Amino acid sequence: KNEVEQSPQNLTAQEGEFITINCSYSVGISALHWLQQHPGGGIVSLFMLSSGKKKHGRLIATINIQEKHSSLHITASHPRDSAVYICAVRTNFGNEKLTFGTGTRLTIIP
Amino acid sequence: EPEVTQTPSHQVTQMGQEVILRCVPISNHLYFYWYRQILGQKVEFLVSFYNNEISEKSEIFDDQFSVERPDGSNFTLKIRSTKLEDSAMYFCASSHMESPLHFGNGTRLTVT
Repeated sequence: KNEVEQSPQNLTAQEGEFITINCSYSVGISALHWLQQHPGGGIVSLFMLSSGKKKHGRLIATINIQEKHSSLHITASHPRDSAVYICAVRTNFGNEKLTFGTGTRLTIIP
Repeated sequence: EPEVTQTPSHQVTQMGQEVILRCVPISNHLYFYWYRQILGQKVEFLVSFYNNEISEKSEIFDDQFSVERPDGSNFTLKIRSTKLEDSAMYFCASSHMESPLHFGNGTRLTVT
């Protein structure tokens, strides 16, 4: 069983729709990362969180430590949001030895 | 905004050869990492480096691999005697204390 599970694996939506991507993990963590991987392969860090909720522009990330679950939401989705979104967890402090999920491929249709 | 820079963007090498992948982390960052992503698979942690030494390494990071910070700015990953299964995208990343990771654009390594 994978330590980090993401759902859905693929998601296609119309421009403007509200998007939710889920991440569940089975280990104790000190932080969780949401990353965006562009079609060319580059990776951008979106959020690092250990509790509660963070917001940046149209992106919102939440985490429930007790339920070992995190969600990434995108409001008013746009075709430029099309990318692979990756959840990754850190199990110790001060060291980003991350365990990655397999990613969610998001396609936003104009 | 400061960036993590990786060179080359694409490296082709023959099986058995040694390769060095180079990274210039963000200048005030203290923690440095290498990750890899085999085509179609998830990203995997290879090694972390702090205070001029390896702080953690994965099972993948065996004697075939080594890392170095030779001059205070570059951070290199050396792969000796490359194998076909070493073909992957290799990402360097850096961070400051408890700050988000900054990734480079990756080096695509192709072993033929």
